[in-house]
Amino acid sequence: DGGITQSPKYLFRKEGQNVTLSCEQNLNHDAMYWYRQDPGQGLRLIYYSQIVNDFQKGDIAEGYSVSREKKESFPLTVTSAQKNPTAFYLCATSSGPWEQFFGPGTRLTVL
Amino acid sequence: QQQVKQSPQSLIVQKGGISIINCAYENTAFDYFPWYQQFPGKGPALLIAIRPDVSEKKEGRFTISFNKSAKQFSLHIMDSQPGDSATYFCAASKDNFNKFYFGSGTKLNVKP
Repeated sequence: DGGITQSPKYLFRKEGQNVTLSCEQNLNHDAMYWYRQDPGQGLRLIYYSQIVNDFQKGDIAEGYSVSREKKESFPLTVTSAQKNPTAFYLCATSSGPWEQFFGPGTRLTVL
Repeated sequence: QQQVKQSPQSLIVQKGGISIINCAYENTAFDYFPWYQQFPGKGPALLIAIRPDVSEKKEGRFTISFNKSAKQFSLHIMDSQPGDSATYFCAASKDNFNKFYFGSGTKLNVKP
């Protein structure tokens, strides 16, 4: 919320299909992050990016891919290699090592 | 290895009571400890944060207590209200780290 937009709010994926989640920010923050949230498991880091055209794997990157072609945008693609993608996906930004600002999230469901 | 351990997983408190959530961390290099509040279907939002140079920080009904020697910190919610019912996450980071490390979350239910 507040400068971070995630779309769509709800997304449904068929088996074997790739889907892309959008994250856009107007906070002029350098760093952007993608987290996955499952019930009772907290926030798990998928990928993060400190600057444009550079990103690093987080703790659960398998089956996901990202790009950072613009400072404002950090899309996440959930590939067919991700066997259990149903979850709540959160995008976050930060201007440094301190506060992270979170978007409203996208709920992905596999049909 | 889990860098930040949070307990309890769930908590039920009566209105007006004190809610206490605890976190412990492993890496002594951490120097920023925030707490986030998340309502269902929403993204987490920063509630309160502390640096290790102080032992306590208070903002309204919310207080962080920090014990550097024990590598523990806790969130106290005084006069808990039904509107405080949410999931709370603790986290830790350091100024030259690239990542935040989150606890597993505590689901708080404040009963009227």
